[in-house]
Amino acid sequence: DAMVIQNPRYQVTQFGKPVTLSCSQTLNHNVMYWYQQKSSQAPKLLFHYYDKDFNNEADTPDNFQSRRPNTSFCFLDIRSPGLGDAAMYLCATSRDRRGTAQETQYFGPGTRLLVL
Amino acid sequence: QKEVEQDPGPLSVPEGAIVSLNCTYSNSAFQYFMWYRQYSRKGPELLMYTYSSGNKEDGRFTAQVDKSSKYISLFIRDSQPSDSATYLCAMKNSGTYKYIFGTGTRLKVLA
Repeated sequence: DAMVIQNPRYQVTQFGKPVTLSCSQTLNHNVMYWYQQKSSQAPKLLFHYYDKDFNNEADTPDNFQSRRPNTSFCFLDIRSPGLGDAAMYLCATSRDRRGTAQETQYFGPGTRLLVL
Repeated sequence: QKEVEQDPGPLSVPEGAIVSLNCTYSNSAFQYFMWYRQYSRKGPELLMYTYSSGNKEDGRFTAQVDKSSKYISLFIRDSQPSDSATYLCAMKNSGTYKYIFGTGTRLKVLA
């Protein structure tokens, strides 16, 4: 089945120790997103890629970086995780179908990050 | 004022009840409207999406969009305990890839 896959599902890291979360998709969608979601809150967009074109949200901390080496894969790097970065990290994809009724977004299962 | 407002609940209903979940929004340019179901500690699952105004039905789920009132609804008929989850609305306009989410409504269907 076509899908969005995230690895690992759970990640434990130490305060200040860099961590990388990965996302892959078999949907061949050209737009990929990273969201941060804390308990009982809406997903918060960190950045998105349109193909290789990177778009950072204005309030995304510099501590968060991303790479998209090809259509299928996207990575979230947290350079120096703090306790406040503990959250669920969600990857999502969508296909650019502007002007049609088909635009929508599909999420992966998420990676739960714990910072000790 | 947030762009999208959603009552956080929790909303508790007996099994078999009709559930109505709602979001209001302020940006009249929104054209794409989605409802996601999110179980605890899982990623959001797309339930319904609607383009512009009108109704859309899929099994026990009906999505409604009233652009004149800037109001969208999700109805769940014959609710089941397995419907217990958080329901997120999301929307966007045609000129952007950024989806705006509500905070989610937590639903509990009691057996």
